Amino acid sequence: DAGVIQSPRHEVTEMGQEVTLRCKPISGHNSLFWYRQTMMRGLELLIYFNNNVPIDDSGMPEDRFSAKMPNASFSTLKIQPSEPRDSAVYFCASSLPGLAGEVQYFGAGTRLSVL
Amino acid sequence: SQQGEEDPQALSIQEGENATMNCSYKTSINNLQWYRQNSGRGLVHLILIRSNEREKHSGRLRVTLDTSKKSSSLLITASRAADTASYFCATDAGEGNNRLAFGKGNQVVVIP
Repeated sequence: DAGVIQSPRHEVTEMGQEVTLRCKPISGHNSLFWYRQTMMRGLELLIYFNNNVPIDDSGMPEDRFSAKMPNASFSTLKIQPSEPRDSAVYFCASSLPGLAGEVQYFGAGTRLSVL
Repeated sequence: SQQGEEDPQALSIQEGENATMNCSYKTSINNLQWYRQNSGRGLVHLILIRSNEREKHSGRLRVTLDTSKKSSSLLITASRAADTASYFCATDAGEGNNRLAFGKGNQVVVIP
């Protein structure tokens, strides 16, 4: 398996623009997680899905952020409009289903810079 | 919420030395995991230890878990320059779901 695939790897955009980050989880993994990592705040869980259904989106900073998982092999994280403080590395991770914190497999991340 | 807290935050050692990191957590857990992150990369799972286990080995890694003290340690023996990375502990927080709570990370620099 190719692992978790994220695109793009790097994104540079101007404030106010819409940004869409994409993730393809490992086949057979029913749980998908979106994280944001910054120096100041560390690794933050934004939202996670089980069987394509959002379970917990309490980490989504505000209404400018939205995430979808239309099928088991694809998820998007959208920021509209983007702001400079959204600059961070965004990771997607997937895992097998479970009730006790299964091992998560991370993508390489998308480094977002909002100017 | 972040539950794991690693200690120390940064460690610089010579190649060949051992590196030890600690992690504390607050609530009951089912398991505790350690991950490594190389610069510019995603996190990579290293080892998982269940709440009924006290020690686990994987290659040059040794993990201990003390549920009475709510703490864990990661020991890397005979360190190599390639071990230079950030190391994170993560717990399941015992919430009966699949999310993990990650600590802030522990930067380890191995000097050749």
